Amino acid sequence: SQQGEEDPQALSIQEGENATMNCSYKTSINNLQWYRQNSGRGLVHLILIRSNEREKHSGRLRVTLDTSKKSSSLLITASRAADTASYFCATTQGAQKLVFGQGTRLTINP
Amino acid sequence: GAGVSQTPSNKVTEKGKYVELRCDPISGHTALYWYRQSLGQGPEFLIYFQGTGAADDSGLPNDRFFAVRPEGSVSTLKIQRTERGDSAVYLCASSSEGGLSTQYFGPGTRLTVL
Repeated sequence: SQQGEEDPQALSIQEGENATMNCSYKTSINNLQWYRQNSGRGLVHLILIRSNEREKHSGRLRVTLDTSKKSSSLLITASRAADTASYFCATTQGAQKLVFGQGTRLTINP
Repeated sequence: GAGVSQTPSNKVTEKGKYVELRCDPISGHTALYWYRQSLGQGPEFLIYFQGTGAADDSGLPNDRFFAVRPEGSVSTLKIQRTERGDSAVYLCASSSEGGLSTQYFGPGTRLTVL
């Protein structure tokens, strides 16, 4: 079963704008990760934030985590055409497996 | 230094047939995972290996699905008596230790059952 829900399900913006995607989850977590997927195939790991962290940066990516609200957000600044992809959040809940949301389809228009 | 590889990249089969999907993890990674992704959905966990043993197979949908990792490296996901509902992309991932370490995904095998 899916753990989280991404919001929005689809997002279309102009190149250069910032893109924000949100993820909500239901149970306590150890960490939360964001992945990118191009063309419905392999997932690329973007960033991991631990349950005791509130914010993390990696290049143009900024992730926040609010464990009291069971939510996370992924911000991509200065978007590029190559950022067009689906983005998934995934949580680890004590066990080894990742539990994914349904993803946000991001389209960057040139 | 290669990443996770999966073969075949695409597999088309007929309902009722048997299929095997292969995963080669990153060298030295002890943990290996299988996930299944249906169109428009996020990946769903199937099974997790730590070394040669299946540490968690709670995601396997039924007894038609089976996976092995006999030498603690390559893994094979086996599906018997395939059904049209088995059509999906099957993703494999590996990590250095399991636990909370990052999982690295392969490109997936797209299975189509006619």
